[in-house]
Amino acid sequence: EAGVVQSPRYKIIEKKQPVAFWCNPISGHNTLYWYRQNLGQGPELLIRYENEEAVDDSQLPKDRFSAERLKGVDSTLKIQPAELGDSAVYLCASSSLEGMWRTQYFGPGTRLLVL
Amino acid sequence: QKEVEQNSGPLSVPEGAIASLNCTYSDRGSQSFFWYRQYSGKSPELIMFIYSNGDKEDGRFTAQLNKASQYVSLLIRDSQPSDSATYLCAPGNAGNMLTFGGGTRLMVKP
Repeated sequence: EAGVVQSPRYKIIEKKQPVAFWCNPISGHNTLYWYRQNLGQGPELLIRYENEEAVDDSQLPKDRFSAERLKGVDSTLKIQPAELGDSAVYLCASSSLEGMWRTQYFGPGTRLLVL
Repeated sequence: QKEVEQNSGPLSVPEGAIASLNCTYSDRGSQSFFWYRQYSGKSPELIMFIYSNGDKEDGRFTAQLNKASQYVSLLIRDSQPSDSATYLCAPGNAGNMLTFGGGTRLMVKP
Protein backbone atom coordinates (compact mmCIF):
# COMPACT_ATOMS: atom_id res chain seq x y z
CA GLU A 1 0.00 0.00 0.00
CA ALA A 2 1.44 3.35 -1.02
CA GLY A 3 1.91 5.89 1.73
CA VAL A 4 1.10 9.58 1.85
CA VAL A 5 2.81 11.41 -0.99
CA GLN A 6 3.94 15.01 -0.76
CA SER A 7 5.66 17.38 -3.14
CA PRO A 8 7.90 19.17 -3.38
CA ARG A 9 10.22 17.74 -0.75
CA TYR A 10 12.19 20.95 -0.45
CA LYS A 11 11.42 24.54 -1.33
CA ILE A 12 13.49 27.69 -0.97
CA ILE A 13 11.81 31.00 -1.69
CA GLU A 14 12.27 34.66 -0.92
CA LYS A 15 9.91 36.37 1.47
CA LYS A 16 6.72 37.78 -0.02
CA GLN A 17 6.72 35.07 -2.70
CA PRO A 18 3.89 32.54 -2.94
CA VAL A 19 4.41 28.82 -2.39
CA ALA A 20 2.19 25.76 -2.68
CA PHE A 21 2.45 22.25 -1.29
CA TRP A 22 0.65 19.20 -2.62
CA CYS A 23 -0.49 16.06 -0.81
CA ASN A 24 -1.94 12.76 -1.99
CA PRO A 25 -3.28 10.72 0.94
CA ILE A 26 -3.36 6.96 1.38
CA SER A 27 -6.02 5.46 -0.86
CA GLY A 28 -9.36 5.26 0.90
CA HIS A 29 -8.45 7.64 3.71
CA ASN A 30 -11.25 10.16 4.12
CA THR A 31 -9.49 12.41 6.62
CA LEU A 32 -6.56 14.59 5.63
CA TYR A 33 -4.49 16.82 7.90
CA TRP A 34 -1.94 19.54 7.32
CA TYR A 35 0.57 20.15 10.11
CA ARG A 36 3.46 22.55 10.53
CA GLN A 37 6.52 21.45 12.46
CA ASN A 38 9.11 23.92 13.64
CA LEU A 39 12.58 22.77 14.55
CA GLY A 40 12.67 21.01 17.91
CA GLN A 41 8.92 21.02 18.31
CA GLY A 42 6.05 18.62 17.70
CA PRO A 43 3.71 18.98 14.73
CA GLU A 44 0.95 21.59 15.07
CA LEU A 45 -2.33 21.11 13.23
CA LEU A 46 -3.18 23.72 10.62
CA ILE A 47 -6.30 22.22 9.04
CA ARG A 48 -8.26 18.98 8.92
CA TYR A 49 -10.48 17.78 6.10
CA GLU A 50 -13.24 15.20 6.23
CA ASN A 51 -13.64 14.35 2.56
CA GLU A 52 -13.95 17.76 0.85
CA GLU A 53 -15.00 19.66 3.95
CA ALA A 54 -12.59 21.61 6.14
CA VAL A 55 -13.84 20.74 9.63
CA ASP A 56 -11.09 22.27 11.75
CA ASP A 57 -9.08 25.24 10.47
CA SER A 58 -8.89 27.27 13.66
CA GLN A 59 -5.07 27.23 13.63
CA LEU A 60 -4.71 28.20 9.98
CA PRO A 61 -3.45 31.80 9.56
CA LYS A 62 -6.17 32.75 7.13
CA ASP A 63 -4.66 36.06 6.11
CA ARG A 64 -1.93 34.30 4.19
CA PHE A 65 -2.66 30.57 4.23
CA SER A 66 -5.27 28.76 2.18
CA ALA A 67 -6.02 25.13 1.53
CA GLU A 68 -8.29 23.09 -0.65
CA ARG A 69 -9.16 19.46 -1.13
CA LEU A 70 -10.96 19.04 -4.39
CA LYS A 71 -12.92 15.81 -4.93
CA GLY A 72 -11.97 14.66 -1.45
CA VAL A 73 -8.61 13.21 -2.44
CA ASP A 74 -5.57 15.41 -3.16
CA SER A 75 -5.01 18.58 -1.22
CA THR A 76 -3.03 21.77 -1.73
CA LEU A 77 -1.79 24.15 0.95
CA LYS A 78 -0.79 27.63 -0.18
CA ILE A 79 1.03 30.49 1.47
CA GLN A 80 0.85 33.95 -0.07
CA PRO A 81 2.86 35.95 0.71
CA ALA A 82 5.43 33.91 2.62
CA GLU A 83 7.17 35.38 5.66
CA LEU A 84 10.47 34.47 7.26
CA GLY A 85 8.62 32.83 10.15
CA ASP A 86 6.94 30.39 7.80
CA SER A 87 10.18 28.43 7.47
CA ALA A 88 9.27 24.98 8.78
CA VAL A 89 8.40 21.46 7.70
CA TYR A 90 4.86 21.11 6.39
CA LEU A 91 3.50 17.64 7.00
CA CYS A 92 0.45 16.02 5.49
CA ALA A 93 -1.20 13.08 7.19
CA SER A 94 -4.23 10.96 6.47
CA SER A 95 -6.45 8.57 8.39
CA SER A 96 -9.43 6.36 7.81
CA LEU A 97 -12.90 6.84 9.30
CA GLU A 98 -13.23 3.13 9.97
CA GLY A 99 -12.83 1.90 13.51
CA MET A 100 -13.03 3.66 16.84
CA TRP A 101 -9.59 5.23 16.69
CA ARG A 102 -8.22 7.01 13.69
CA THR A 103 -4.53 6.37 13.19
CA GLN A 104 -2.75 9.13 11.37
CA TYR A 105 -0.03 8.31 8.86
CA PHE A 106 2.36 11.02 7.81
CA GLY A 107 3.91 11.86 4.49
CA PRO A 108 7.62 12.74 4.13
CA GLY A 109 6.93 16.46 4.50
CA THR A 110 7.97 19.57 2.60
CA ARG A 111 10.86 21.53 4.04
CA LEU A 112 10.31 25.22 3.39
CA LEU A 113 13.00 27.83 3.79
CA VAL A 114 12.00 31.47 3.39
CA LEU A 115 14.91 33.85 2.81
CA GLN B 1 1.39 25.15 31.05
CA LYS B 2 1.80 23.16 27.88
CA GLU B 3 -0.96 20.78 26.95
CA VAL B 4 1.45 17.89 26.46
CA GLU B 5 4.71 17.82 28.40
CA GLN B 6 7.72 15.74 27.49
CA ASN B 7 11.29 16.02 28.68
CA SER B 8 13.18 17.20 25.62
CA GLY B 9 16.26 15.17 26.58
CA PRO B 10 18.50 13.93 25.29
CA LEU B 11 17.90 10.72 27.18
CA SER B 12 21.02 8.61 26.88
CA VAL B 13 20.92 4.87 27.53
CA PRO B 14 23.44 2.11 26.80
CA GLU B 15 22.65 -0.52 24.21
CA GLY B 16 20.56 -3.32 25.67
CA ALA B 17 19.10 -1.20 28.46
CA ILE B 18 15.48 -0.16 28.97
CA ALA B 19 14.61 3.33 27.83
CA SER B 20 11.72 4.99 29.63
CA LEU B 21 9.99 7.92 27.95
CA ASN B 22 7.39 9.90 29.85
CA CYS B 23 4.55 12.20 28.91
CA THR B 24 1.95 14.15 30.88
CA TYR B 25 -1.10 15.81 29.43
CA SER B 26 -3.60 18.38 30.64
CA ASP B 27 -6.78 17.50 28.71
CA ARG B 28 -8.79 15.08 30.84
CA GLY B 29 -10.98 14.45 27.80
CA SER B 30 -8.11 12.70 26.04
CA GLN B 31 -9.17 9.19 25.10
CA SER B 32 -6.42 7.75 22.97
CA PHE B 33 -2.69 8.10 23.23
CA PHE B 34 -0.26 7.70 20.37
CA TRP B 35 3.49 7.34 20.30
CA TYR B 36 5.36 8.35 17.16
CA ARG B 37 9.05 7.98 16.40
CA GLN B 38 10.78 10.62 14.32
CA TYR B 39 14.28 10.17 12.96
CA SER B 40 16.25 13.32 12.24
CA GLY B 41 15.08 14.85 8.98
CA LYS B 42 12.23 12.36 8.60
CA SER B 43 8.52 12.45 9.28
CA PRO B 44 6.82 10.89 12.32
CA GLU B 45 6.02 7.19 12.11
CA LEU B 46 3.53 5.45 14.35
CA ILE B 47 4.90 3.07 16.97
CA MET B 48 1.77 2.21 18.89
CA PHE B 49 -1.27 3.59 20.63
CA ILE B 50 -3.13 2.87 23.85
CA TYR B 51 -6.57 3.85 25.13
CA SER B 52 -7.15 1.74 28.24
CA ASN B 53 -5.46 2.16 31.59
CA GLY B 54 -2.64 -0.27 32.10
CA ASP B 55 0.02 -1.69 29.85
CA LYS B 56 0.05 -2.56 26.17
CA GLU B 57 2.95 -4.49 24.73
CA ASP B 58 4.12 -4.69 21.12
CA GLY B 59 7.44 -6.41 20.62
CA ARG B 60 10.13 -4.45 22.46
CA PHE B 61 7.74 -1.57 23.11
CA THR B 62 5.35 -1.21 26.05
CA ALA B 63 2.99 1.71 26.45
CA GLN B 64 1.64 2.48 29.90
CA LEU B 65 -1.37 4.67 30.62
CA ASN B 66 -2.69 6.14 33.85
CA LYS B 67 -5.60 8.44 33.09
CA ALA B 68 -6.11 9.43 36.73
CA SER B 69 -2.57 10.80 36.83
CA GLN B 70 -2.78 12.04 33.22
CA TYR B 71 0.40 10.18 32.48
CA VAL B 72 1.49 7.98 29.63
CA SER B 73 4.85 6.36 29.08
CA LEU B 74 6.73 4.30 26.52
CA LEU B 75 9.25 1.67 27.52
CA ILE B 76 11.74 0.34 25.00
CA ARG B 77 13.39 -2.91 26.08
CA ASP B 78 16.76 -4.06 24.76
CA SER B 79 17.40 -0.62 23.29
CA GLN B 80 19.34 -0.57 20.03
CA PRO B 81 21.33 2.22 18.40
CA SER B 82 18.65 2.21 15.68
CA ASP B 83 16.15 3.34 18.33
CA SER B 84 17.97 6.67 18.56
CA ALA B 85 15.34 9.18 17.50
CA THR B 86 12.85 11.68 18.88
CA TYR B 87 9.72 10.16 20.39
CA LEU B 88 6.53 12.16 20.18
CA CYS B 89 3.61 11.67 22.54
CA ALA B 90 0.20 12.61 21.12
CA PRO B 91 -3.01 12.39 23.12
CA GLY B 92 -6.19 12.30 21.07
CA ASN B 93 -9.55 13.77 22.03
CA ALA B 94 -13.03 12.40 21.38
CA GLY B 95 -12.82 13.62 17.81
CA ASN B 96 -9.49 11.84 17.33
CA MET B 97 -7.66 15.14 17.08
CA LEU B 98 -4.07 14.76 18.22
CA THR B 99 -2.04 17.24 20.24
CA PHE B 100 1.66 16.56 19.98
CA GLY B 101 4.25 17.08 22.66
CA GLY B 102 7.62 18.52 21.79
CA GLY B 103 9.21 15.10 21.86
CA THR B 104 12.00 13.40 23.78
CA ARG B 105 15.27 12.79 22.03
CA LEU B 106 16.64 9.33 22.77
CA MET B 107 20.26 8.36 22.24
CA VAL B 108 21.24 4.72 22.51
CA LYS B 109 24.99 4.31 22.83
CA PRO B 110 26.70 1.13 21.56
